Amino acid sequence: EADIYQTPRYLVIGTGKKITLECSQTMGHDKMYWYQQDPGMELHLIHYSYGVNSTEKGDLSSESTVSRIRTEHFPLTLESARPSHTSQYLCASGVSGGTYEQYFGPGTRLTVT
Amino acid sequence: AQSVTQLGSHVSVSEGALVLLRCNYSSSVPPYLFWYVQYPNQGLQLLLKYTSAATLVKGINGFEAEFKKSETSFHLTKPSAHMSDAAEYFCAVSGGSNYKLTFGKGTLLTVNP
Repeated sequence: EADIYQTPRYLVIGTGKKITLECSQTMGHDKMYWYQQDPGMELHLIHYSYGVNSTEKGDLSSESTVSRIRTEHFPLTLESARPSHTSQYLCASGVSGGTYEQYFGPGTRLTVT
Repeated sequence: AQSVTQLGSHVSVSEGALVLLRCNYSSSVPPYLFWYVQYPNQGLQLLLKYTSAATLVKGINGFEAEFKKSETSFHLTKPSAHMSDAAEYFCAVSGGSNYKLTFGKGTLLTVNP
């Protein structure tokens, strides 16, 4: 079944640790996105990619980085986690040409202590 | 530039009552419009989308929305609320050469027994 996956779903980690949030999709979409969302709040786009080896920063400045080496994989990395990075991170993918909708993964809730 | 305004951050209805969630948009190009639903600790699920075909769009779970260009609105309705409809609802807009979605701040729907 075509889907979009995120791991881990929940992560509690100490300050200064390096973390990577995984995102994979099996829908063959060339567009992928990362959003940051605080509880009960709006979504903010932090990174996007329109294809392999193409990444751009989003509308909200973030200390995280991303890579897109394979079409289906779009990991997000924080080199040194801080309490201000505590949030929910949502990954999405979108179709090329046509209707612009995005499909979301279940999210990773990150807590930095 | 595109923007979305969702009127009412919190809407409360009784079970069986009409649900009306308001969304107004601004777009310099013909818009694509979307409604997403988010249940606690989950990602966003696409409810329905407007892509310049029929102005009245039917979605999943009995929801529908009507595109009104003159009012720049895309309100979401459901004739009879169910307890399972309690969630956060987001309106989003995209269009032109921009494959990014611009989201509203969300409306929390509570359904009272």
